[in-house]
Amino acid sequence: DTGVSQDPRHKITKRGQNVTFRCDPISEHNRLYWYRQTLGQGPEFLTYFQNEAQLEKSRLLSDRFSAERPKGSFSTLEIQRTEQGDSAMYLCASSISGGARDTQYFGPGTRLTVL
Amino acid sequence: TQLLEQSPQFLSIQEGENLTVYCNSSSVFSSLQWYRQEPGEGPVLLVTVVTGGEVKKLKRLTFQFGDARKDSSLHITAAQTGDTGLYLCAGAVDSGAGSYQLTFGKGTKLSVIP
Repeated sequence: DTGVSQDPRHKITKRGQNVTFRCDPISEHNRLYWYRQTLGQGPEFLTYFQNEAQLEKSRLLSDRFSAERPKGSFSTLEIQRTEQGDSAMYLCASSISGGARDTQYFGPGTRLTVL
Repeated sequence: TQLLEQSPQFLSIQEGENLTVYCNSSSVFSSLQWYRQEPGEGPVLLVTVVTGGEVKKLKRLTFQFGDARKDSSLHITAAQTGDTGLYLCAGAVDSGAGSYQLTFGKGTKLSVIP
């Protein structure tokens, strides 16, 4: 049983560039979450998908951020015109409806550094 | 907005000692999850507690969910150097949109010294 995978693991980019991250959830999981974690903080919720529908977005998700889950399987998170403040660990988690109050399993994360 | 306060933030103990980490909130949670995170990695699930007053044991780790489902504790018996890491608690609330987004504490950074 493979867990949640994320790609790339690390990304260094220059300010103003666009970046895209990919998340592959656990295969039977229909729910997918994106979180962001900065140094010394716990992860913060960004957005949620149930199957292919994006049902919830945090206020943290500015209009430079867009997420998709086109076929209800993998998801992508794109950041346009990156800023230094976007530097963080971007975490993806998945869960299954009806699980113990939606226990979420996390991927290894993508560490973004904006220079 | 739900807030989770974890204490202590940092803990350094000798191998073999016992310790307790606390997670407190004024909000009621549907469930509470404990994770352990290594530097540069994602959080790894340790346990989910759902029922008020629930106690779960995972080898030397004991997790308790408060009766009112607002707080939780993690107790480690006879700590080992392999227990070193960042321990995160996360409370789940039904958002009404079908999700149980997690609210995380800042974590407790545990160092177990040989």
